[in-house]
Amino acid sequence: QSVLTQPPSVSGAPGQRVSISCTGSNSNFGAGYDVHWYQQLPGTAPKLLIFGNNNRPSGVPDRFSGSKSGTSASLGITGLQAEDEADYYCQSYDNSLSSFVFGGGTKVTVL
Amino acid sequence: QVQLQESGPGLVKPSQTLSLTCTVSGGSMSSGAYYWSWIRQHPAKGLEWIGYIYHSGRTYYSPSLKSRVTMSLDTSNNQFSLKLHSVTAADTAVYYCARGRATNIDYWGQGTLVTVSS
Repeated sequence: QSVLTQPPSVSGAPGQRVSISCTGSNSNFGAGYDVHWYQQLPGTAPKLLIFGNNNRPSGVPDRFSGSKSGTSASLGITGLQAEDEADYYCQSYDNSLSSFVFGGGTKVTVL
Repeated sequence: QVQLQESGPGLVKPSQTLSLTCTVSGGSMSSGAYYWSWIRQHPAKGLEWIGYIYHSGRTYYSPSLKSRVTMSLDTSNNQFSLKLHSVTAADTAVYYCARGRATNIDYWGQGTLVTVSS
């Protein structure tokens, strides 16, 4: 049971928009800690996709966006492409656990 | 471009100690802006934070693994290490070393699979 809750899977057709939710609590998002998102392509290491709630590292397409409000966060992917098929993880810090925490991951399928 | 590479045995016997080393290239480990982490991923499962170490040597371990984890730093060789003691089959996972900045991870190693089996 992950501290941050994500849907196991989401899917969409090429070109569509999908959104992945990440639900936390008052000891992580609600305490003001940022959310970060990682993309893990099959057989590879995770890669930083969004940091500090809504910032994209250099090289990440602007089709990816992030937001956080209260105890929830979300990752949006617009103009869905076949290459976006991957697992996506949210991550934050939890002050009740004194530990960094990850969501359980969401598999994105392009139909 | 910072690169990280894990090394160590791919097979460890139950009750023994898992030992991994991460070699960092393309950047200095002495900067106080970063910390050096270990994260693992059980087969077909999500990510689990093991802990991290600062350039000062200060460490933070996951509460669930704290009693069995030791991390160390060798900045002269641009390496940091993980020891996980008294392993069981439940410790079979892909282990990643990574660089942390603020509260996120900006660079990851490629990962190494460690299997615990007799």
